[in-house]
Amino acid sequence: AQSVTQLGSHVSVSEGALVLLRCNYSSSVPPYLFWYVQYPNQGLQLLLKYTSAATLVKGINGFEAEFKKSETSFHLTKPSAHMSDAAEYFCAVSDVNQGGKLIFGQGTELSVKP
Amino acid sequence: EAQVTQNPRYLITVTGKKLTVTCSQNMNHEYMSWYRQDPGLGLRQIYYSMNVEVTDKGDVPEGYKVSRKEKRNFPLILESPSPNQTSLYFCASSTQTGGYGYTFGSGTRLTVV
Repeated sequence: AQSVTQLGSHVSVSEGALVLLRCNYSSSVPPYLFWYVQYPNQGLQLLLKYTSAATLVKGINGFEAEFKKSETSFHLTKPSAHMSDAAEYFCAVSDVNQGGKLIFGQGTELSVKP
Repeated sequence: EAQVTQNPRYLITVTGKKLTVTCSQNMNHEYMSWYRQDPGLGLRQIYYSMNVEVTDKGDVPEGYKVSRKEKRNFPLILESPSPNQTSLYFCASSTQTGGYGYTFGSGTRLTVV
């Protein structure tokens, strides 16, 4: 079965510092991979997705992620953190054998210090 | 505006009192799904539907029912709610392939006392 592991349930960075949120997946077939962001008291918003085109994927709000098949990773980065980036981030893989069911990681809460 | 609409946003109810959380999407998506979100457990799928009249269990279906009589609607029914169903619920929809990701509703925070 496909699965997703996010390393670190809490990550804290200073404003202006690099953001790196780690995600590793297991999949027996080429996956669809996603990053979602959840702001307090809101639903999940799609940040970016990988669907077997370019391995470096650019998303909204300056985020990007790189698909590395050899490492089965899809880490999320942003060069310079902003206070408004504080939120919870979820990595997910789409299980094509179950009609595209999204399997989520446990989530990483990002804090940004002034 | 393309969206998934859930109602209500907040609900407090008592144990055993049947309730329905509605979900509607305006994107003509075939695939719809319900998730619950709990601290430390992430998001877990309750039920999903690949099209009208086609539904199937997800990872945590116990205590829930769904129906898909129309393409746009996918209500979640709790026949006899219990306190362990206190959670944040999300409805989501997608194209059939799933490669475009899901569009999520804003969530329903349910408390069962």
